[in-house]
Parts: sequence; structure tokens; C-alpha cells
Amino acid sequence: AQTVTQSQPEMSVQEAETVTLSCTYDTSESDYYLFWYKQPPSRQMILVIRQEAYKQQNATENRFSVNFQKAAKSFSLKISDSQLGDAAMYFCAYRSENTGNQFYFGTGTSLTVIP
Amino acid sequence: DAEITQSPRHKITETGRQVTLACHQTWNHNNMFWYRQDLGHGLRLIHYSYGVQDTNKGEVSDGYSVSRSNTEDLPLTLESAASSQTSVYFCASSESGTPYEQYFGPGTRLTVT
Repeated sequence: AQTVTQSQPEMSVQEAETVTLSCTYDTSESDYYLFWYKQPPSRQMILVIRQEAYKQQNATENRFSVNFQKAAKSFSLKISDSQLGDAAMYFCAYRSENTGNQFYFGTGTSLTVIP
Repeated sequence: DAEITQSPRHKITETGRQVTLACHQTWNHNNMFWYRQDLGHGLRLIHYSYGVQDTNKGEVSDGYSVSRSNTEDLPLTLESAASSQTSVYFCASSESGTPYEQYFGPGTRLTVT
């Protein structure tokens, strides 16, 4: 099974500043998909952004962007202009192209936004 | 709007009792999943289904079972609840193919006393 590692259990950022959350994964596959999910205190899992491994261009969704380094097996999430509503647990997830629709999740990073 | 719901949202049960958690989705997705979320472990896959009558074991399936009799529902049953099964349980669904993300229900907090 693929392994997804989030080495930062907790992070904090000042409001309006930029923060980067790290994610690395272990795979021997060349085709796969990567996702960042946000889980606010409501517990609802919300998709933030996704990246197809075959695309060289890094995905961007408004204030959220990724730095995808395929050779390094790294997939970090950058949040710009942090807002209080960004405070949440963030999970990185891997989905294989070859082994069906299973997702593999990291252990999460808890982000605190300081006013 | 299509959605995925879980019931109950909270449940307290006693050790040894059988418990069933419901999951219902109106996305008409073929794929459905059950996860448990525990501090320090993220989300771990319990069981999953790729269609009616199809079920598969995930990473932490011991003590759990599922059945898929229709597209919309994938109930999760704890055969004999144990304190180690105290957790938050999430149901998710996805369309087949790529790169489709999973859509999650609101979660069920289960406490086994």
C-alpha cells in the first residue's frame, strides 16, 4: 500500500501571511492523483485542491496552490493571505491510477490561524 | 442537491452490542467507502464497495462488516462493539474513473463504553 506522510502535526500562521504544509508519499507508480482535504471543526471533509501526476503544472485554486515535485515525491500546499476560516485539519491524500478508487491519507496537519 | 448523509451523528453503545451505522448517498456513485478517524492515524479505510453486491476489506476491517444491496446505501456493522472501536466514522463516495475525488459524509462519533 502507498504511504502518505505529513511530518508537521501542527502549524500556525498569522492572519494574512502565507503558510506551507508538507506532504510526501511513497509509490512506485507513475500515474496517480494527489489531493488536499480540509477538515474544519465541523468535521466535514472538504476538497481543497487536486493534482494529476502527469501534469507538470502545479494546481492552483484561488489562495491555495501546490508545489508538486514528482521526482522527490513531494506535494506541499501553500495557503496565501491566510484567513481565520482556514483554521482546520488538513489531510493529504494519494489515489492510485492502477489500483482502483482507493485513497490513502496522511495523518493530518492542524493549522491554527492567529489573528 | 446531491449529498451523502450518515446516521446517527452520535452514538453511545456498550461493549459487546451490535451497532449499525448508516450511509446514504444521492450522487448515484458506484464507489462507497468507510473510514475511521483517530488522532495520530488520519483516516483509515475499513471497507469499500465498487457496486451493488461488491464489498472489499480495507486496512482495518477486523470486527466490521458491510453489505451493498443498492447503489445508495452502504451500512457499516460492528458485530460486537469493542472499546477500541470508539472513533469517528466517515462514509465517502466517488464516481468511477479518474481523477474523481471522494465526497464525504458529516461523520458519526461512536463511543463504546
